[in-house]
Amino acid sequence: SQQGEEDPQALSIQEGENATMNCSYKTSINNLQWYRQNSGRGLVHLILIRSNEREKHSGRLRVTLDTSKKSSSLLITASRAADTASYFCATDAKAAGNKLTFGGGTRVLVKP
Amino acid sequence: SAVISQKPSRDICQRGTSLTIQCQVDSQVTMMFWYRQQPGQSLTLIATANQGSEATYESGFVIDKFPISRPNLTFSTLTVSNMSPEDSSIYLCSVEGSGEETQYFGPGTRLLVL
Repeated sequence: SQQGEEDPQALSIQEGENATMNCSYKTSINNLQWYRQNSGRGLVHLILIRSNEREKHSGRLRVTLDTSKKSSSLLITASRAADTASYFCATDAKAAGNKLTFGGGTRVLVKP
Repeated sequence: SAVISQKPSRDICQRGTSLTIQCQVDSQVTMMFWYRQQPGQSLTLIATANQGSEATYESGFVIDKFPISRPNLTFSTLTVSNMSPEDSSIYLCSVEGSGEETQYFGPGTRLLVL
């Protein structure tokens, strides 16, 4: 079963707006990672947040982690058409060794 | 970081045949991972391949259906055997960065089985 569940499944916004997507998971984690996938190609790592961190920034990306609620959010600020992609959270669970378990993904469409 | 290439990038195959997918990394890595992504779905881990040992398969995946080779620290193959239309997916390999917890992915192999 999937460790991470994401919502919304799909998101459509105008260029310049912010995009927020959420990820929930079930078991204790070492870290949670966000990846981007363009048009069914390979995934690109965006950001990693450790279980003892609450917030992390990278450029226009902001990630939060609430371990008490077992949830994370990814915020993309000032979105661009090039941000159109699917975004996946992935958990590195303490019980799973080096393996990542991916959420269902959020498809984001940024309209110019 | 790591740069990963996969061959073929896509293929259309007839049911009952087999396809071998190659994954090449530009640096030596201990662990390589093979994932399947069915149409419109997320990634599911098939197996973990370490050099010099048998691959470790996840629940629902077996060696007879998805044999994996790992002859050295920069290369691996995944074979999809006796294919059926349900095997139509994107197959991706990935590696862990040296000393990192993130994974680097190949561009994927898009497989369509008729």
